[in-house]
Amino acid sequence: EAQVTQNPRYLITVTGKKLTVTCSQNMNHEYMSWYRQDPGLGLRQIYYSMNVEVTDKGDVPEGYKVSRKEKRNFPLILESPSPNQTSLYFCASTATGGAWWSYNEQFFGPGTRLTVL
Amino acid sequence: KNQVEQSPQSLIILEGKNCTLQCNYTVSPFSNLRWYKQDTGRGPVSLTIMTFSENTKSNGRYTATLDADTKQSSLHITASQLSDSASYICVVRSGAGSYQLTFGKGTKLSVIP
Repeated sequence: EAQVTQNPRYLITVTGKKLTVTCSQNMNHEYMSWYRQDPGLGLRQIYYSMNVEVTDKGDVPEGYKVSRKEKRNFPLILESPSPNQTSLYFCASTATGGAWWSYNEQFFGPGTRLTVL
Repeated sequence: KNQVEQSPQSLIILEGKNCTLQCNYTVSPFSNLRWYKQDTGRGPVSLTIMTFSENTKSNGRYTATLDADTKQSSLHITASQLSDSASYICVVRSGAGSYQLTFGKGTKLSVIP
């Protein structure tokens, strides 16, 4: 089954304790992305990756790091979490081939609810 | 700046009724427009994707329309069901050769018995 998986699904941590949220997709997609979703603000992009070893900042990258060593995995790292990073996080992946107007549907993971105390 | 505006912010309708959600965008150059359904606490799921050459697209009881000239889209839900209660997010892809998405903040739909 084609899917994007995230772990953990729920996490409660304390300020300053480094954490990693994993993301994996089994569709051989080139493009992967991380979003956070907060009430009233919608989905905002944190980082994205066009392919292995190619990553770039999205709209809200401060306080986050990512890496893309393998095509299927795109972990999100919070080196020193703070309470303002309490949010619902989504990973997504997309194929990028075809014409620029191609459908290239984006598939989202189930989400990780993070609470930083 | 690319923007996607959705209206209304929230909507309550009776089960069995129809409703229409609106999306206006100022994304350029336009590539395609997507509507997603997001159940509370879960990842968004694609309902429809339309390119500039498509005016309407259906997925069961969901019908999306696109007017690329006025940069407007709508999502019409027919004969609503309790399971339609969710947030509906309009997303526009821009750029030739890149993959940039601009998200609306969503419309929260509640269908009541």
